[in-house]
Amino acid sequence: QITLKESGPTLVKPTQTLTLTCTFSGFSLSTSGVGVGWIRQPPGKALEWLALIYWNDDKRYSPSLKSRLTITKDTSKNQVVLTMTNMDPVDTATYYCAHSSAMVGRPFDYWGQGTLVTVSS
Amino acid sequence: QSVLTQPPSASGTPGQRVTISCSGSTSNIGSNIVNWYQQLPGTAPKLLIYSNNQRPSGVPDRFSGSKSGTSASLAISGLQAEDEADYFCAAWDDSLNGVVFGGGTKLTVL
Repeated sequence: QITLKESGPTLVKPTQTLTLTCTFSGFSLSTSGVGVGWIRQPPGKALEWLALIYWNDDKRYSPSLKSRLTITKDTSKNQVVLTMTNMDPVDTATYYCAHSSAMVGRPFDYWGQGTLVTVSS
Repeated sequence: QSVLTQPPSASGTPGQRVTISCSGSTSNIGSNIVNWYQQLPGTAPKLLIYSNNQRPSGVPDRFSGSKSGTSASLAISGLQAEDEADYFCAAWDDSLNGVVFGGGTKLTVL
């Protein structure tokens, strides 16, 4: 059974750096084809993909946020960490991590419950 | 402004068939697979359709997906009250080298 859970601060100040951790179970990030992604959703708005890290440490970032994002993995701890620098109130959103399947098309087939991050002074 | 275009809303009465469109370009839908996600109110998204038209285990066969050219569609037949949710399409974009989502369609069951 695959589960993922996001953890991190619920409130950050503008200009601060956000660090979110995705702790997962039921799969290994050393398995060929597997990845973990981060997706966010501002209140009442659409999903926005942020970053992906694959089993082979290949990393992909949203072009519009690439300069602010870093994704890393700790395979031994079953964790993926996302950092986002220079936070702004427009970054207020629910942040999800999700398992990226090795199936064709690499869908996000398992999602965490999400964590709401508010950016405010 | 989302890369993939969906109608913001759709509606139907119980038992009806509704379709939700997702329009993209040659760099995303035109050359890659489309996945669909369902987001019930207050919950995380759930994979509904993958690989254009495949249903994960547990998804009723009332849900079906299709793709043609640079557009994709999600069809829901025998509409039920529990289908009221937001639906998002997604695909890999070769130009952006990343995943793109549609703006989402809010389905209301009247």
